[in-house]
Amino acid sequence: KQEVTQIPAALSVPEGENLVLNCSFTDSAIYNLQWFRQDPGKGLTSLLLIQSSQREQTSGRLNASLDKSSGRSTLYIAASQPGDSATYLCAVRPAAAGNKLTFGGGTRVLVKP
Amino acid sequence: EAGVAQSPRYKIIEKRQSVAFWCNPISGHATLYWYQQILGQGPKLLIQFQNNGVVDDSQLPKDRFSAERLKGVDSTLKIQPAKLEDSAVYLCASSLGNRDSTTEAFFGQGTRLTVV
Repeated sequence: KQEVTQIPAALSVPEGENLVLNCSFTDSAIYNLQWFRQDPGKGLTSLLLIQSSQREQTSGRLNASLDKSSGRSTLYIAASQPGDSATYLCAVRPAAAGNKLTFGGGTRVLVKP
Repeated sequence: EAGVAQSPRYKIIEKRQSVAFWCNPISGHATLYWYQQILGQGPKLLIQFQNNGVVDDSQLPKDRFSAERLKGVDSTLKIQPAKLEDSAVYLCASSLGNRDSTTEAFFGQGTRLTVV
């Protein structure tokens, strides 16, 4: 059974500092991994999707890496801003029957001005 | 392109009452998901549809929860009777397919259910 873990559960940084968010998963047989952002009381916004054959994906200040063999992904957010404050969730799509998207518990980020 | 639509946004009911949520996925998306997100946790899959067939409902409490996707488009999720522990945000998502590069999931705003 696939398990996804995100550590730390919460993170507070001063504005301008780079953010590093970690995601680990137990089964390396995956189709892809997706990073989401969730603002309080809102749904999930897709940030980046990395296919199993890719090592990283970039979008603006966001960069996500994937090391499938070690079961890890890292989301980097450069030059953080107060508007980046949110909960960040990673989810993996196992390459197995049913392949349901499995989420980690999320990392709650606060960027202080 | 319109996103995933959900209604209502908020619902407060008493325990043992029934409630229904509605979801309209992105046009053309064959796969539809219902997730339950309890405060402070990641979303947990309740049921996954491929067109109007169920792919996975292993974590759906079938004694009280039911879901349908008639005609392979809109979907409804029902809880009857509700319990206090059902208080959560119910998220609907859709994706083009359920394999490989078609699996990017897009989520609606969710329905926040409070059972009192």
